[in-house]
Amino acid sequence: QKEVEQNSGPLSVPEGAIASLNCTYSDRGSQSFFWYRQYSGKSPELIMSIYSNGDKEDGRFTAQLNKASQYVSLLIRDSQPSDSATYLCAVNMHAVGSSNTGKLIFGQGTTLQVKP
Amino acid sequence: GAGVSQTPSNKVTEKGKYVELRCDPISGHTALYWYRQSLGQGPEFLIYFQGTGAADDSGLPNDRFFAVRPEGSVSTLKIQRTERGDSAVYLCASSPHLDRDTEAFFGQGTRLTVV
Repeated sequence: QKEVEQNSGPLSVPEGAIASLNCTYSDRGSQSFFWYRQYSGKSPELIMSIYSNGDKEDGRFTAQLNKASQYVSLLIRDSQPSDSATYLCAVNMHAVGSSNTGKLIFGQGTTLQVKP
Repeated sequence: GAGVSQTPSNKVTEKGKYVELRCDPISGHTALYWYRQSLGQGPEFLIYFQGTGAADDSGLPNDRFFAVRPEGSVSTLKIQRTERGDSAVYLCASSPHLDRDTEAFFGQGTRLTVV
């Protein structure tokens, strides 16, 4: 089982629709969760972080976390063609036996295509 | 500059040669990560530093790969006897790593091509 799993897609949505991106993780002790956006040929750009169960909204983006289900998602409302990119889920893996956070592990990414 | 800086941006080397890739993190960030990314894949974890020490190097693929961060700031990833399979984009990220504030920010990457 991979540590962080995402459906590679592509996920295709029409302009103005809601895009829903999902991610599961294996380490039950993980505390910090992130979504990055990566345009083709560019490096990943942080767009959302979430640490507590529930929803966190920032503009058109909402991150959702369910630690019991080991599941984190990203919703993009009113999708625009400029949102077309690969979305990477990242989890800071808990260091067993340590109070410190551990290494940051990425999923393979989901490619989102927003069609005008 | 305020962001993570990686040099060189592109590196072409012959199979069997030695290469060094440099990362200059955001000032004050204690955590530094190295990743390798191949086309169509997510960033693959290689190593992470907390200060000067390697906190976790479990992602280094073999003993040809080594990384240092002697003063807790700039880091160098070293690859000996390069192979064509080492060709990838090597990404560096840094994070303040304070309590739960572990947001990591990436440099622009070094594209390594082994011919």
